[in-house]
Amino acid sequence: GESVGLHLPTLSVQEGDNSIINCAYSNSASDYFIWYKQESGKGPQFIIDIRSNMDKRQGQRVTVLLNKTVKHLSLQIAATQPGDSAVYFCAENRQAGTALIFGKGTTLSVSS
Amino acid sequence: DAMVIQNPRYQVTQFGKPVTLSCSQTLNHNVMYWYQQKSSQAPKLLFHYYDKDFNNEADTPDNFQSRRPNTSFCFLDIRSPGLGDAAMYLCATSQTGYTEAFFGQGTRLTVV
Repeated sequence: GESVGLHLPTLSVQEGDNSIINCAYSNSASDYFIWYKQESGKGPQFIIDIRSNMDKRQGQRVTVLLNKTVKHLSLQIAATQPGDSAVYFCAENRQAGTALIFGKGTTLSVSS
Repeated sequence: DAMVIQNPRYQVTQFGKPVTLSCSQTLNHNVMYWYQQKSSQAPKLLFHYYDKDFNNEADTPDNFQSRRPNTSFCFLDIRSPGLGDAAMYLCATSQTGYTEAFFGQGTRLTVV
């Protein structure tokens, strides 16, 4: 996705704080979205997904919010832990097909 | 047990010498993706297969080719690697493209 002023390349938080990572996606026709976590030297790891017929979905310690009006996606991590330190990417299914496109990442740093 | 396996994990090739990266999956998923990821950047989709249907991204150089001989295997061929092709190459699979995509651990390609 492209930044519209909401995307931050880095985010630093204290352990126990809540974290909010934002993503602006580019294609209004996209109808499926995924958040991934990537640790150094590893492949992306699935966190949570959401379809365009929803505006909120919750998992364990994570919540994804979708605002289709402004094409904005956010990931909320509750009680952030040092193990949450990684790069986080949003990805969108671009069209009525199967291409999965990644947006810019946000590096989350959690200090104890 | 690993579900998406990429071999090798590290590959060193000479400038201009063809190289093939491989990916296998045990998930029997229909969709297989190849991404290129350079340092501090998001994964960039090169192409993907839905079953045998090949989908090339518009900006993927002709130097990159792919083969999918069966459901389980997919290969990335770089015909004449340049120094700019040094990157992490990620393979992923998805059942439909509208479900979670599972990533392998990647192959880090070095061009000398």
